[in-house]
Amino acid sequence: ETGVTQTPRHLVMGMTNKKSLKCEQHLGHNAMYWYKQSAKKPLELMFVYSLEERVENNSVPSRFSPECPNSSHLFLHLHTLQPEDSALYLCASSQDVAFNQPQHFGDGTRLSIL
Amino acid sequence: GNSVTQMEGPVTLSEEAFLTINCTYTATGYPSLFWYVQYPGEGLQLLLKATKADDKGSNKGFEATYRKETTSFHLEKGSVQVSDSAVYFCALSDQGAQKLVFGQGTRLTINP
Repeated sequence: ETGVTQTPRHLVMGMTNKKSLKCEQHLGHNAMYWYKQSAKKPLELMFVYSLEERVENNSVPSRFSPECPNSSHLFLHLHTLQPEDSALYLCASSQDVAFNQPQHFGDGTRLSIL
Repeated sequence: GNSVTQMEGPVTLSEEAFLTINCTYTATGYPSLFWYVQYPGEGLQLLLKATKADDKGSNKGFEATYRKETTSFHLEKGSVQVSDSAVYFCALSDQGAQKLVFGQGTRLTINP
């Protein structure tokens, strides 16, 4: 079983839809992250959770709403997205938010906005 | 602020060639340095890391040495294989910021 599992792997939605991305980690980690990966741009950190508390929100538009109900699960709720939000969304986890801890990534959800 | 600069890609090599992917960084304090690899259709995987000056990280034949004097962490491999084709990301994590800062990634293609 992989350490970090993301579902769905692919998602196509209209601009008025509401959908959610799910991430689950089986590593016993305390920190979880959402990243956005767009073509020809560096990886963008969106949100950081430590022990289910949000510790970072990198000026992400309110149409993206994260939720961390426990240390193993992380959701990204999507509403009224724009075409420029089409990207690969990656979830990651680490033992904690200490600076020298490596992060373990899921395979991502490829999101396309029509 | 902290930043990472990688050599522009794409990089195309023949099998068994020597590989170098340059990475330089700007950071306050003493960051930890990482190389991640992303194979097609997958997320990022940690390839190697170094946490202090002169440390050498190594894994799967890849190596990188933390050079504080040149603020560099270049990735090298002596003989690449077709299976090494992927996108490689250099990253740093600074004690003050407590988050990873990534370079823009370098796409590597190895031809048989």
